Amino acid sequence: DAKTTQPPSMDCAEGRAANLPCNHSTISGNEYVYWYRQIHSQGPQYIIHGLKNNETNEMASLIITEDRKSSTLILPHATLRDTAVYYCIVRVVSFGNEKLTFGTGTRLTIIP
Amino acid sequence: GAGVSQSPSNKVTEKGKDVELRCDPISGHTALYWYRQRLGQGLEFLIYFQGNSAPDKSGLPSDRFSAERTGESVSTLTIQRTQQEDSAVYLCASSQGLAPIDTQYFGPGTRLTVL
Repeated sequence: DAKTTQPPSMDCAEGRAANLPCNHSTISGNEYVYWYRQIHSQGPQYIIHGLKNNETNEMASLIITEDRKSSTLILPHATLRDTAVYYCIVRVVSFGNEKLTFGTGTRLTIIP
Repeated sequence: GAGVSQSPSNKVTEKGKDVELRCDPISGHTALYWYRQRLGQGLEFLIYFQGNSAPDKSGLPSDRFSAERTGESVSTLTIQRTQQEDSAVYLCASSQGLAPIDTQYFGPGTRLTVL
């Protein structure tokens, strides 16, 4: 699976959009971009995933650049409960490669 | 419906003792995963069960670690002769397992402290 690079930490004001970048310049054509987050003392929580098209769900939006070398997770109206570590991972989604490998992620702090 | 549950939530043990950690996956999920997360570090894959297939044990760090799963239900992760470096949060996840795209849903984890 390709390696990802994320800033170690970010702050965002409550109510504003939080934009979390992820660089995955070595991504290959059959690798998906997944985002998870981990709130303190809890297990990781799935947020969203995509291949090449932008995706939106009830939690967030995922913007993937046309060359797929980077992506941005957008939390449209951040709340204090969004304070967490956010993990961007890329993975080949195929039988026999189901395991996830998380790096150290971005620690997002929402400021009142 | 209920999510993935794990027990105990916290376990403190002495070096050399055996511990058993339990995971109850989401009902109907055929795939189950165990991960380890050391303090301040990312997730480390341990083992994966899919239906009745032989488990993928490629991530188990040593022969002191073993895991079992009965059918598509509860799984137990056993660590024998615990060492201080085994201290970590042990996370269990499950997925429907019907396709590779299936999302993994995580439990709250078991925090293991080996004194």
